[in-house]
Amino acid sequence: DSGVTQTPKHLITATGQRVTLRCSPRSGDLSVYWYQQSLDQGLQFLIQYYNGEERAKGNILERFSAQQFPDLHSELNLSSLELGDSALYFCASSVLEGHGYTFGSGTRLTVV
Amino acid sequence: SQQGEEDPQALSIQEGENATMNCSYKTSINNLQWYRQNSGRGLVHLILIRSNEREKHSGRLRVTLDTSKKSSSLLITASRAADTASYFCATLPNSGYSTLTFGKGTMLLVSP
Repeated sequence: DSGVTQTPKHLITATGQRVTLRCSPRSGDLSVYWYQQSLDQGLQFLIQYYNGEERAKGNILERFSAQQFPDLHSELNLSSLELGDSALYFCASSVLEGHGYTFGSGTRLTVV
Repeated sequence: SQQGEEDPQALSIQEGENATMNCSYKTSINNLQWYRQNSGRGLVHLILIRSNEREKHSGRLRVTLDTSKKSSSLLITASRAADTASYFCATLPNSGYSTLTFGKGTMLLVSP
């Protein structure tokens, strides 16, 4: 157990639907990062939050949004899902920016 | 977009042999990190090397960094079957707020 908790582990949904992925960072870590991993694109950075504030944005689609709550857990919302959104979504946390990241076990999203 | 590119894409060795993976990157970095990912699982942080360091050791792992060539190598000595995994390098750019950019990884297979 890495200390970063992601739920759910697996999600199967239909095109056009909306889903919410949840992440609880390791205790004490203020930064939360979301990454998407697919076979063709590899690991793509989506978005980072630091202590509740959006810090950096990567290749995140407009259909996707995220937030970090006062208790530091974060949610990634994916809407108008397409087949191509099928991927592993990872959350990671770190105590300081630039330090090693601790990854959760991921949410495997399958869009059918 | 990928900052780091690992080489080779796949590596197959016997237990007891050494495994060497290389990573090249494009821009100036603050640090470079190596991660391991077992199939479908979360990434695990292995080692971090700063831009002013040339070599770092951790157990059976040895990492080198050559900033003039923008390259790094990860050596795993006396490989074990349990080392079978994908290995990723990740770079932290040397500019403002930034996040890790991952390469596409090297798949290592260690046969008993």
